[in-house]
Amino acid sequence: DIQMTQSPSSLSASVGDRVTITCRATQSINSYLNWYQQKPGKAPKLLIFGASNLQSGVPSRFSGSGSGTDFTLTISSLQPEDFATYYCQQSYSAPRGSFGQGTKLEIK
Amino acid sequence: EVQLVESGGGLVQPGRSLRLSCAASGFTFDDYAMHWVRQPPGKGLEWVSGINWNSGNIGYAESVKGRFTISRDNAKKSLYMQMNSLRAEDTALYYCAKGRAAAGGHYFDYWGQGTLVTVSS
Repeated sequence: DIQMTQSPSSLSASVGDRVTITCRATQSINSYLNWYQQKPGKAPKLLIFGASNLQSGVPSRFSGSGSGTDFTLTISSLQPEDFATYYCQQSYSAPRGSFGQGTKLEIK
Repeated sequence: EVQLVESGGGLVQPGRSLRLSCAASGFTFDDYAMHWVRQPPGKGLEWVSGINWNSGNIGYAESVKGRFTISRDNAKKSLYMQMNSLRAEDTALYYCAKGRAAAGGHYFDYWGQGTLVTVSS
């Protein structure tokens, strides 16, 4: 099975900061990598699919990059509503779709 | 508007069974794969199982293989998960998610609000 590892597990940042979260796969997954945002008590929300494609309605301050085994999610200028937990997910082995352990983004 | 509404969760003793349902609306159900994803209290997301549009391609996480069975009824626009031999570690909020395949791969574009399963004696 493909395992996904995110880093860091938690991150403190301030409004306006540029933030990067990393996700690594145990084998090449080409560009089959998705990012989700989850706020407390809510279902996850798709942000990016196919490593770099922004889901409709998601602000352009979110961007994704990478291919193979290493991927990044970048938030160019943090807004108050961006404080949440972020998960990567591989879809290379669809219908299987393992998630990373999550990165909790907190206010500094 | 796409809606996914899960039901069937509850408190169950270890070793017993439970059947979850997910009622879908707002999209052509039989055009899309569907998935179950769970989240133990205070922990991260775990993909549990997925089924393609015609039930011809099904996958399970190793943690539930042999105990859980996913199915769908396209006429009823419903997704199901039969959970047998439940364990304490199956305690989680279970989400139903709509899959979508595109050039960028496969992803979950809509999620329900979840149904809570608690396995305890």
